[in-house]
Amino acid sequence: AQKVTQAQTEISVVEKEDVTLDCVYETRDTTYYLFWYKQPPSGELVFLIRRNSFDEQNEISGRYSWNFQKSTSSFNFTITASQVVDSAVYFCALSEWSAGGTSYGKLTFGQGTILTVHP
Amino acid sequence: NAGVTQTPKFQVLKTGQSMTLQCAQDMNHNSMYWYRQDPGMGLRLIYYSASEGTTDKGEVPNGYNVSRLNKREFSLRLESAAPSQTSVYFCASSEGGAGARDTQYFGPGTRLTVL
Repeated sequence: AQKVTQAQTEISVVEKEDVTLDCVYETRDTTYYLFWYKQPPSGELVFLIRRNSFDEQNEISGRYSWNFQKSTSSFNFTITASQVVDSAVYFCALSEWSAGGTSYGKLTFGQGTILTVHP
Repeated sequence: NAGVTQTPKFQVLKTGQSMTLQCAQDMNHNSMYWYRQDPGMGLRLIYYSASEGTTDKGEVPNGYNVSRLNKREFSLRLESAAPSQTSVYFCASSEGGAGARDTQYFGPGTRLTVL
């Protein structure tokens, strides 16, 4: 069974600090996808990034960067120069593609990390 | 283009009452999902509809029923609400047909309290 662990329940930083959110996953499949979602105080879930299991290149988008390491089953998310608007709950999720299984995007979510950025 | 919409935003029920949560998407997506979010547990899949005309159970289906009314709409029904169903409910949709590659897009959520 697939599992996603976000060991950091809450993180508190001061504005302009860098912060890394950890995500460790378990899966028996060789083909899978990893996602990050952001849930701001308003409550909706906002899609941030999708990464497939074949591509271990790190990705950078503005102040956001993602480090995918298959050897350690981790997909960590770093915010550089954090801002108050980054305050949110961040979820890591795993989607498996099992040959012969039902072809739908079943996501397994981690428990979420609450990030608070203080001014 | 509203994306995924859910009604109502908030609801308070008494134990034993029934209600239906509505969800609609305007992205012409084939697949739709219902999740519940409880503190410290992330989101858990209740039911999903891979395509119009099909529905299947997810991880926590007990106490719920769903209807895929058409391609746009997917409703979740609580026949006899229990306090354990107090939660935030999210509807999501995805293009479908792409298996694990599908990206799901979420609605704003419905906060349900069962007294």
